[in-house]
Amino acid sequence: AQSVTQLDSQVPVFEEAPVELRCNYSSSVSVYLFWYVQYPNQGLQLLLKYLSGSTLVKGINGFEAEFNKSQTSFHLRKPSVHISDTAEYFCAVSMDSSYKLIFGSGTRLLVRP
Amino acid sequence: DTEVTQTPKHLVMGMTNKKSLKCEQHMGHRAMYWYKQKAKKPPELMFVYSYEKLSINESVPSRFSPECPNSSLLNLHLHALQPEDSALYLCASSQDMGGGIKTQYFGPGTRLLVL
Repeated sequence: AQSVTQLDSQVPVFEEAPVELRCNYSSSVSVYLFWYVQYPNQGLQLLLKYLSGSTLVKGINGFEAEFNKSQTSFHLRKPSVHISDTAEYFCAVSMDSSYKLIFGSGTRLLVRP
Repeated sequence: DTEVTQTPKHLVMGMTNKKSLKCEQHMGHRAMYWYKQKAKKPPELMFVYSYEKLSINESVPSRFSPECPNSSLLNLHLHALQPEDSALYLCASSQDMGGGIKTQYFGPGTRLLVL
């Protein structure tokens, strides 16, 4: 069965520091990978997605992620975070064979001044 | 435009009330979803509509009743809810329910409190 692991439940970081949010997946078939962000009291917003092609994917708000098939990872990075990046970040995978979007448990990014 | 709208933003209801949540998209998507999200948890899928027909019911109690009046609208009718049903209810849509590259776009959610 497919699964998504976000090992870090919370990542505290100072403003203007770089950050990496980790995501690993388990699947026996090809997957498509997504990062969603959820700001406090809001819905989910698509940050970026990997469907095919270049393994380095750029998204909104200066975020990027790299698909690593050998390590089954899709880590999210930002070189310099802002207070406004404080939010919950969800990694998710989908497959051709299923309508389901499988979410990780989420990582709360807490940016401090 | 990748906008999904939901109304109301907040809803407080008693256990004997009947209320409805509304979701709308104008992206021409033919799959629409209802999710339930509890605090500090990822969304959990409840229902999937494909081409206006209910395709998936993830064993949701009958006090939740979905409806898809047309290809742009999705409703969730609520009746005799329990306090544990308090949550953020999210609507999403995608090109169709084929999965894979068909990206799901989410609305802002309705925060429901059952007293």
